[in-house]
Amino acid sequence: DAGVIQSPRHEVTEMGQEVTLRCKPISGHDYLFWYRQTMMRGLELLIYFNNNVPIDDSGMPEDRFSAKMPNASFSTLKIQPSEPRDSAVYFCASSHVPGRDRNTEAFFGQGTRLTVV
Amino acid sequence: AQSVTQLGSHVSVSEGALVLLRCNYSSSVPPYLFWYVQYPNQGLQLLLKYTTGATLVKGINGFEAEFKKSETSFHLTKPSAHMSDAAEYFCAVSVKGAQKLVFGQGTRLTINP
Repeated sequence: DAGVIQSPRHEVTEMGQEVTLRCKPISGHDYLFWYRQTMMRGLELLIYFNNNVPIDDSGMPEDRFSAKMPNASFSTLKIQPSEPRDSAVYFCASSHVPGRDRNTEAFFGQGTRLTVV
Repeated sequence: AQSVTQLGSHVSVSEGALVLLRCNYSSSVPPYLFWYVQYPNQGLQLLLKYTTGATLVKGINGFEAEFKKSETSFHLTKPSAHMSDAAEYFCAVSVKGAQKLVFGQGTRLTINP
């Protein structure tokens, strides 16, 4: 498997523009996570899905952020309108839980470095 | 709620010296614990994990960690540092029934020749 694939790797946009980040999880994984990494706040969980259904979006900073998972092989994180403080590296990760009682590790993509100017 | 504290945002050791990166967690239920490594401009890669069973777990690249419930700790060690170990290391916790990972702030490891 090619791993978790994110696109684009780098995105530079102007304040006020819409930004869409994309993620293809590992085939067969039933959990998908979106994380944001900044120097000030470290790694923050924004939202995660189980079987394409959002389970916890309490980390989404505000209404400008939205995430969707229309099918098991694709997810998007959208920021509209974007602001300079949204500049960060955004990671997508996926995992598969083989049984009810076992937690497993998440596999991370390479990340999208977003710069809002 | 779970939380993770990594003591020391920067650690510097000499090549060949012992590496010790500290991690303490807070959880009201038995935790699952993970160490990830991040190389520059890369995603996170799993080093090792503790779920149940043996409290001393071995991972990739010669790293190991020991789960100590009484100390709520999961420190990462490697007997002899190599230049290629220079990276950022993250400790993370999750709990049964909640697949999401909560990460510590990370520790940047520098290896001196």
